[in-house]
Amino acid sequence: DVKVTQSSRYLVKRTGEKVFLECVQDMDHENMFWYRQDPGLGLRLIYFSYDVKMKEKGDIPEGYSVSREKKERFSLILESASTNQTSMYLCASSLRGSNQPQHFGDGTRLSIL
Amino acid sequence: DQQVKQNSPSLSVQEGRISILNCDYTNSMFDYFLWYKKYPAEGPTFLISISSIKDKNEDGRFTVFLNKSAKHLSLHIVPSQPGDSAVYFCAAPLTGNQFYFGTGTSLTVIP
Repeated sequence: DVKVTQSSRYLVKRTGEKVFLECVQDMDHENMFWYRQDPGLGLRLIYFSYDVKMKEKGDIPEGYSVSREKKERFSLILESASTNQTSMYLCASSLRGSNQPQHFGDGTRLSIL
Repeated sequence: DQQVKQNSPSLSVQEGRISILNCDYTNSMFDYFLWYKKYPAEGPTFLISISSIKDKNEDGRFTVFLNKSAKHLSLHIVPSQPGDSAVYFCAAPLTGNQFYFGTGTSLTVIP
């Protein structure tokens, strides 16, 4: 069965901290994605990666960076956390190729105080 | 700019009746659409999809209809069950891998 695991379900950090969100998938998927979900805004793409060490900006990359050193792991980094980055963060993966469904983790609820 | 729109934030339906969730899109380049279902404290799960070469796709109690001229798709759930209570997102991929999601519709099925 498909499995995308996010390292934390809930996380509380302080303004200015560097924050790491980790995501691991066990399906040998080429593509991995980071979204944030906010009320009334749906899911918005932050970054995605279609291969190891490759990354592409999504719709809202400002204030974030990513790292993909291994195929199964995709990390989202908040360089200097701010209160407007309080949100639900969702990681997803998919096979390469057009229109492949994305498989999601259960999300990390991040609060920046 | 929201390329995929779900204009109804919520919907309540009696158990056994039909649920109809709507989605509109603006980009005529979209040629494939998906519906996802999301329970609280879980990630979205893929439910059903449709290619633009079809106008209907059915999977059990779930049917998706596509009206390309109106740039509109809908998800029908018949009969609705309490376990269908969730948030439903429509989505469309562009350039193969980058998906655009709607804002979601929260469905409540009343027993």
